[in-house]
Amino acid sequence: EAQVTQNPRYLITVTGKKLTVTCSQNMNHEYMSWYRQDPGLGLRQIYYSMNVEVTDKGDVPEGYKVSRKEKRNFPLILESPSPNQTSLYFCASSVGGGYGYTFGSGTRLTVV
Amino acid sequence: EDQVTQSPEALRLQEGESSSLNCSYTVSGLRGLFWYRQDPGKGPEFLFTLYSAGEEKEKERLKATLTKKESFLHITAPKPEDSATYLCAVQAIAAGNKLTFGGGTRVLVKP
Repeated sequence: EAQVTQNPRYLITVTGKKLTVTCSQNMNHEYMSWYRQDPGLGLRQIYYSMNVEVTDKGDVPEGYKVSRKEKRNFPLILESPSPNQTSLYFCASSVGGGYGYTFGSGTRLTVV
Repeated sequence: EDQVTQSPEALRLQEGESSSLNCSYTVSGLRGLFWYRQDPGKGPEFLFTLYSAGEEKEKERLKATLTKKESFLHITAPKPEDSATYLCAVQAIAAGNKLTFGGGTRVLVKP
């Protein structure tokens, strides 16, 4: 089944403790992206990647890192999480610009 | 800056009562306009991509249309299973693969 898999689905952590949210897609897509979704603010892009070793900042990149060492994986790294990063995070992939994204099921992160 | 505004914020319909959702946008060179459906606690599910004014696409009870300034999602004779949040997003030619999303319209269809 074609899908984008994120892990974990739920995560509660403490301020400053480094964490990684994994994302993997099995569709051989070139493009991958991370979004966060907050009430009243909608979905906002954090980082995106157009191919292996090619990444760039989205609208809200502060406090996040990404890497794209393999085509299928695009992990999101929070080096020192803070409470304002409490959010619902989605990873998505697409075959290319102008095509619809396939989204993962989401990771609900709470930073206390 | 690309902007997307969706209206109304929420819509309550009786089963069978057709209606339309609006998505107004401003973008410097449209590559595509996307409609997604999102159920609570789940990721957005892709519905349609529209590329140029005048284009229309249909899927079951849903029909999306596009003009130079807005898009409409028409729901014909909705059923309770059509209840969801519908999201509109635009992608600009010069914006890489970034999607700019609107705030969504929450649709509730009562039997």
